[in-house]
Amino acid sequence: EVQLVESGGGLVKPGGSLRLSCAASGFTFSNAWMSWVRQAPGKGLEWVGRIKSKTDAGTTDYAAPVKGRFTISRDDSKNTLYLQMNSLKTEDTAVYYCSTLIAFHHNYWGQGILVTVSS
Amino acid sequence: QSALTQPPSASGSPGQSVTISCTGTSSDVGGYNYVSWYQQHPGKAPKLMIYEVTKRPSGVPDRFSGSKSGNTASLTVSGLQAEDEADYYCSSYAGRHYVFGTGTKVTVL
Repeated sequence: EVQLVESGGGLVKPGGSLRLSCAASGFTFSNAWMSWVRQAPGKGLEWVGRIKSKTDAGTTDYAAPVKGRFTISRDDSKNTLYLQMNSLKTEDTAVYYCSTLIAFHHNYWGQGILVTVSS
Repeated sequence: QSALTQPPSASGSPGQSVTISCTGTSSDVGGYNYVSWYQQHPGKAPKLMIYEVTKRPSGVPDRFSGSKSGNTASLTVSGLQAEDEADYYCSSYAGRHYVFGTGTKVTVL
């Protein structure tokens, strides 16, 4: 059974940093492309960014609102995906989901983790 | 990228059909056959319902179907059931990026 479990969320002040983790199991993580998707309270889904598998060069792409502030990385030895968030803004407040990305669709999702950016 | 445009709400009685539209541009919906649809119940994670415009993952009822014409994709839920009441989001590949729709709340009357 595929499981994705996010952790590391919480309350952070504007301008601060936070690192989210996503522990994966039930599939070959090293072969998987992975995404982060967020959802602000009461709002819709917003794609944050994606990392390819290392066999596909491990490259990353980001949505415009987070480019230059957020970094996605992976540790295949730990089956873990990361999202490093710097220079956080109040508009980054959201539930953050990690997701597997297979053939251009997001097929498995974690339960989500809340990040609140507030002074 | 701007979000794909969906109607805010749709409704139908049990057993009826409801169709949700998802309008983008030639850079996303119209440019690729990589439109997917997600169902989200309150407080839950999204669930993949349709991928590559028309394909259903294993376990998704065949009451759910997808289509696309030009820059607009559609999700049809036939034979509405109470458990279909949820938010629905479309998504499209947009060339190294992905874009989601604004979301549609489906109410079963």
